[in-house]
Amino acid sequence: GESVGLHLPTLSVQEGDNSIINCAYSNSASDYFIWYKQESGKGPQFIIDIRSNMDKRQGQRVTVLLNKTVKHLSLQIAATQPGDSAVYFCAEIPSGSARQLTFGSGTQLTVLP
Amino acid sequence: GAVVSQHPSRVICKSGTSVKIECRSLDFQATTMFWYRQFPKKSLMLMATSNEGSKATYEQGVEKDKFLINHASLTLSTLTVTSAHPEDSSFYICSAIGAGGNYGYTFGSGTRLTVV
Repeated sequence: GESVGLHLPTLSVQEGDNSIINCAYSNSASDYFIWYKQESGKGPQFIIDIRSNMDKRQGQRVTVLLNKTVKHLSLQIAATQPGDSAVYFCAEIPSGSARQLTFGSGTQLTVLP
Repeated sequence: GAVVSQHPSRVICKSGTSVKIECRSLDFQATTMFWYRQFPKKSLMLMATSNEGSKATYEQGVEKDKFLINHASLTLSTLTVTSAHPEDSSFYICSAIGAGGNYGYTFGSGTRLTVV
């Protein structure tokens, strides 16, 4: 399953399928990006990050892709599990921003049994 | 790994009273802490940035006299919501980063404030 962040704030996928969550960031001067997972009633949890000098980074079951040309970031989750159900936010840090994170609008991922 | 402890996790207070929320970095020195507010099904909105030993920098539209932030030590920042009203009810979250170019933003678990 795939989402386009601002226009499709919810994404439902079958357990075991791959998920793709998209994010369009706003500032071309941003040089660092982070994906966070937030479960209901909890603070954001770091998933993976990427610097602007890279276009891909892989973690355990997750991959982040960065396309600076179109200011697009995506999070791919392999073999989605019920525990992956949460809201996912991308965040950017514009260079010279006193290291302040700017969060995207978020995507609610629901994993169906 | 870096841990940020935020307390209380939930608080209910009466209109007109003040509430203090604490944010502590447990295993690192947090030179900078950030306070966010989050409405249901919405993203995190930065309220203010605080550096240890100096006054907080508030984002546009955030009342500094209503949301008092103190960052008196490298491990503790507090947010006090003064004269709380029902519209202040929200989920408040802190995050902290260390010194030396460490981009390891660590978030607290959040505080659910309900003003009745």
